[in-house]
Amino acid sequence: QSVLTQPPSVSGAPGQRVTISCTGSSSNIGAGYDVHWYQQLPGTAPKLLIYGNSNRPSGVPDRFSGSKSGTSASLAITGLQAEDEADYYCQSYDSSLSGSRVVFGGGTKLTVL
Amino acid sequence: EVQLVESGGGLVKPGGSLRLSCAASGFTFSSYSMNWVRQAPGKGLEWVSSISSSSSYIYYADSVKGRFTISRDNAKNSLYLQMNSLRAEDTAVYYCARAARYCSSTSCYPEDYFDYWGQGTLVTVSS
Repeated sequence: QSVLTQPPSVSGAPGQRVTISCTGSSSNIGAGYDVHWYQQLPGTAPKLLIYGNSNRPSGVPDRFSGSKSGTSASLAITGLQAEDEADYYCQSYDSSLSGSRVVFGGGTKLTVL
Repeated sequence: EVQLVESGGGLVKPGGSLRLSCAASGFTFSSYSMNWVRQAPGKGLEWVSSISSSSSYIYYADSVKGRFTISRDNAKNSLYLQMNSLRAEDTAVYYCARAARYCSSTSCYPEDYFDYWGQGTLVTVSS
């Protein structure tokens, strides 16, 4: 059971827009910690996609965007392309009485129809 | 170009030990916090451990505390993970990941996200 909750799968046709949600709680996203997103293409290592809720590293297309509100965050992908088919993970930081740690969502598999 | 190359994975029996290594290049290794993140077969990502640039601060996930030890050798640009008392549930691909860094006009601080990852090394714990 992941600390951050993502839908197991989403799908969309080429050219469409899809969103992936990431729901946390008052000890992580709701506490003000930033949300970051990673893309993991099949058989490869994760790659940083969005950092600090909405910032794109150099080289990441502006088709990818992130947002955060309250205890949740979202990743939006517009103009869907076949090469976007991958697993996507959100990540934040969690701080509670039991300690502090980096936490990930369970991941969302994006299928391009 | 930043490169992180893990090695040392393999098949080990339950209760056994293994030492993973991560060779870093293309950046000033001694200036960055480093992490190990693992991914069980067909599962999601799990943060395992982190170590600050000078080894002053070390943290572990509860699932590995007391069994795994993270360390680094800045002179050799290398990160390590000593894994003891291995269990079947430790079976995973282990990734070495660099923590991003924020620099002000006077100091730099580690961020809580990972800007570069290695290709991973597979650890299989099975009898």
